[in-house]
Amino acid sequence: RKEVEQDPGPFNVPEGATVAFNCTYSNSASQSFFWYRQDCRKEPKLLMSVYSSGNEDGRFTAQLNRASQYISLLIRDSKLSDSATYLCVVNMGNRDDKIIFGKGTRLHILP
Amino acid sequence: EPEVTQTPSHQVTQMGQEVILRCVPISNHLYFYWYRQILGQKVEFLVSFYNNEISEKSEIFDDQFSVERPDGSNFTLKIRSTKLEDSAMYFCASREQGSYNSPLHFGNGTRLTVT
Repeated sequence: RKEVEQDPGPFNVPEGATVAFNCTYSNSASQSFFWYRQDCRKEPKLLMSVYSSGNEDGRFTAQLNRASQYISLLIRDSKLSDSATYLCVVNMGNRDDKIIFGKGTRLHILP
Repeated sequence: EPEVTQTPSHQVTQMGQEVILRCVPISNHLYFYWYRQILGQKVEFLVSFYNNEISEKSEIFDDQFSVERPDGSNFTLKIRSTKLEDSAMYFCASREQGSYNSPLHFGNGTRLTVT
């Protein structure tokens, strides 16, 4: 099983729609999880951390399912500016020092 | 807002030459990282660094690579003898000590082109 696995997409979604991504991880002992977004040829930027109880930040909701070893990201009322690659990020190290990125899921919001 | 800064933004070098990529992490951060991203591919972990030593490194981080924190502010990645396949975007990141949920903060990256 790959360390961090994501559906590469692309997801082509009309503006205003809701879209969800999943990500699976291999290390059951992983403690920290994040979603980043990356625009073309730019550095990754933190979208949100993912907490055990799930968390919401405006139109974005993140969930963690430890039993099945996956995290999810839900985007409601999608905007054109949400078009980007969404990166699932998991700390795989025993000492929290090996932070691994998934390949990313490309999202295109269509006008 | 404090930033991670990287220099240069673009480095062109000939195969076999040594390059040093420079990063200034956020000042109160204690964990430092290097990642690379080959064009069109995923962000790949290279190495993490804490308390003046390497914490973790990936299979990519072989003897050709080294990292150093030569003073209180800079964090460098050296590639001793560059190969064509080292051409990539190199990102430096840092995070503060404390909660395992403290996220990575990235610099703008250095685009390395090996000819």
